[in-house]
Amino acid sequence: GNSVTQMEGPVTLSEEAFLTINCTYTATGYPSLFWYVQYPGEGLQLLLKATKADDKGSNKGFEATYRKETTSFHLEKGSVQVSDSAVYFCALSSSGAGSYQLTFGKGTKLSVIP
Amino acid sequence: NAGVTQTPKFQVLKTGQSMTLQCAQDMNHEYMSWYRQDPGMGLRLIHYSVGAGITDQGEVPNGYNVSRSTTEDFPLRLLSAAPSQTSVYFCASSYWAKQSTDTQYFGPGTRLTVL
Repeated sequence: GNSVTQMEGPVTLSEEAFLTINCTYTATGYPSLFWYVQYPGEGLQLLLKATKADDKGSNKGFEATYRKETTSFHLEKGSVQVSDSAVYFCALSSSGAGSYQLTFGKGTKLSVIP
Repeated sequence: NAGVTQTPKFQVLKTGQSMTLQCAQDMNHEYMSWYRQDPGMGLRLIHYSVGAGITDQGEVPNGYNVSRSTTEDFPLRLLSAAPSQTSVYFCASSYWAKQSTDTQYFGPGTRLTVL
């Protein structure tokens, strides 16, 4: 079946540090890949996505590239801010039984300190 | 648009009680789903619906029932609550049911505690 593995947290960084959160996946066919972010006390919201190999998703300074050869979708940001403190979820979407379903990783909690 | 709304925001139940978690969306989305979020487990799919009158089971359906009588509403029912159902529940929706590229929109969540 499908699965998503992302790096264990929590991750604590100083403001303006470089961020990488690793994500690898196992899936049949050609899944779409997503990063969702959950700010404290809120629901999840889409951060970025990529729908085919070599696509790069980007938003709010975050980037991730769909690497089919390494089955990876690592999240990066060049300079984090305190406001980026949140839990980040990597997810994949693939078809099954006539509709698609999202499979999530376990989440990585990021804390950015001033 | 209000997006995806969920009620209540918090709920405490005793073992064996029943309740319904409400979810509604005003975006005319075809696909709706329920997830539970537990520490260290990510989000796991409970049930989903690809349109009014059509529902199906996800990864962890036991102990939960759903129905979809309208496009807008997708309630989740706990028939006899158990402590193992203590969790945060999220409802989500997306426009297409058969488009793997589509973005899902999440509600703010319901935090349920079963004593």
